Amino acid sequence: DGGITQSPKYLFRKEGQNVTLSCEQNLNHDAMYWYRQDPGQGLRLIYYSQIVNDFQKGDIAEGYSVSREKKESFPLTVTSAQKNPTAFYLCASSSGGAIYEQYFGPGTRLTVT
Amino acid sequence: DQQVKQNSPSLSVQEGRISILNCDYTNSMFDYFLWYKKYPAEGPTFLISISSIKDKNEDGRFTVFLNKSAKHLSLHIVPSQPGDSAVYFCAASPNFNKFYFGSGTKLNVKP
Repeated sequence: DGGITQSPKYLFRKEGQNVTLSCEQNLNHDAMYWYRQDPGQGLRLIYYSQIVNDFQKGDIAEGYSVSREKKESFPLTVTSAQKNPTAFYLCASSSGGAIYEQYFGPGTRLTVT
Repeated sequence: DQQVKQNSPSLSVQEGRISILNCDYTNSMFDYFLWYKKYPAEGPTFLISISSIKDKNEDGRFTVFLNKSAKHLSLHIVPSQPGDSAVYFCAASPNFNKFYFGSGTKLNVKP
């Protein structure tokens, strides 16, 4: 079955630690995205990548970093510089170009204490 | 400043009736619009899309209407079913890449 996987589903970290969230897709999609969702808010774009070895900042990139070394993988690192890291993180992918619908993974809930 | 707004945080509808979810946007450059459905602790599921060259797109029980002059789109669900109870997000983009999401409307379909 084709799809997007995110692991783990729940993640707990101590303040001051960096943490990396995994996102893998086997849909052969070119574009991948990371969003953050906070209670009562919509999804906000953190980073996106349209092609391997290239990525752009979204609206709230500060305190986050990404890499896109493989088409299938787009890991997100939440660094200690992110002031409010506790949130629900969603990864998505799309074929790109005129097929613009994005398909989402199940999400990772990160709690930092 | 939020470029996509869903002003109704919740909506309650009787099973079998029509559900109308609304979405307003401010950027006249937006040309691509999506609706997603989301259950708690899950990722959003794509429902239906529309581009600015059309004013209506239909897929089964779901129809999206776009009024570009009013910068408004709506999602109609007819007939509504209890399984439609979820949070619905609209999203808009000026290109194929960067989408802006509304804050969502929680739909409750009562049996």
